[in-house]
Formats: sequence, C-alpha cells, structure tokens
Amino acid sequence: EAQVTQNPRYLITVTGKKLTVTCSQNMNHEYMSWYRQDPGLGLRQIYYSMNVEVTDKGDVPEGYKVSRKEKRNFPLILESPSPNQTSLYFCASSSFGGSSSPLHFGNGTRLTVT
Amino acid sequence: AQSVTQLGSHVSVSEGALVLLRCNYSSSVPPYLFWYVQYPNQGLQLLLKYTSAATLVKGINGFEAEFKKSETSFHLTKPSAHMSDAAEYFCASMNTGFQKLVFGTGTRLLVSP
Repeated sequence: EAQVTQNPRYLITVTGKKLTVTCSQNMNHEYMSWYRQDPGLGLRQIYYSMNVEVTDKGDVPEGYKVSRKEKRNFPLILESPSPNQTSLYFCASSSFGGSSSPLHFGNGTRLTVT
Repeated sequence: AQSVTQLGSHVSVSEGALVLLRCNYSSSVPPYLFWYVQYPNQGLQLLLKYTSAATLVKGINGFEAEFKKSETSFHLTKPSAHMSDAAEYFCASMNTGFQKLVFGTGTRLLVSP
C-alpha cells in the first residue's frame, strides 16, 4: 500500500531535549516536505526537499533541521525544542510527474513541549 | 506573494443541504489549485485539483469546484451534505515552480441531522 509513515504519532518532551520525528514514503517520490498545523493558521511549510541531498527552507524553518540522505526518508530534527514548537506536524511527499502532482500526507505527529 | 484565503473558519449545514466552502487565491499567474479534506486524527486527503484542463473539476465523495479566473476563486460545493462530510477542508495553491503548496487556514464543516 502506498503511504507516508510518520513516527511517533504522539510525543511529549521537555524544553531543550533533542528529538527526531521520522518520515518514510514507499512511493519513490522525489519531493518531500514538512508542515506544521496550528489552529487558525492552517498548514505552514517548515522545510522541503526536491531530491536526495537537496533541501530548502519553507516559511517557518527556525528551530528545525532536516536531512535527506535517502530518497524514502526525510526526518525532522528539533535540536532544542521549545514550547512554541508544540504543534501537529505532517510529512508529505509527491512525485515530479508535473507541477500538479498532489501531495500524499502522513497521519501526523502531535508534539507537546513542556 | 502567493496566498490563499478561505472565508469562514466554520460552516454549518443540515444534512441534505447544499455545501459551499469558499476559497480565493492570490497569484498573478493562475496556479494549480487543490482541495484537501482532513478527518479527525488523520492526515490530509486530496479531494480534487485544478490543473487548467477544465474549469469545473469533479472530485471524490460528490464534491466539485469551479475555477473562476475573473473572481480568483475556487469554491468547493456539494449538492447534498452527508453526516460523513463533517471534517476540516483546506484549499491550497501551488506555484508553477513546484516548490511550495500554500494552504488556506481551513474551514470546519459541521453537518447536523
């Protein structure tokens, strides 16, 4: 089954404790992206990757890091989480079959930073 | 800058009534446009997309949207609401450079019996 898998689904951590949210897709997609969803703000892009070893900032990259060493994986790293990073995070992927290719989303990771 | 505006954070309808969710985009060049639906505790699923092939786009679950360049709109409609349509709906725009999908703030659809 074609899917984007995020782990964990829920995560509670404390300020300053490094964490990684994993994202993996099995569709051989070139494009991957991370979004955060906050009430009243919709989804905002954190980082995206056009292919292996090619990443770039989205609208809200501060406090986040990503890497794309393999095509299927695109982990999101919070080196020193802060309470304002409490949010619902989504990973998404898409093929490069044309600019109209829709994004496929994971089921989300709900992060709470205390 | 590219942007998407969804009018109304909440829309309430009765079962069987017309559903209309509004979306306006801001772009000098007509972008690719999408509607996504999010059910509780799930990711976003694609409802439909506009790619300039036809102005009236039909999607899944009986939804459709009409692209109107003169109004820079891409409103989502469904003739008859069902209880299972209760969810949050997001309109999104993608630039032709295929670098970013810009989302609206979402509209929560409430369906009452």
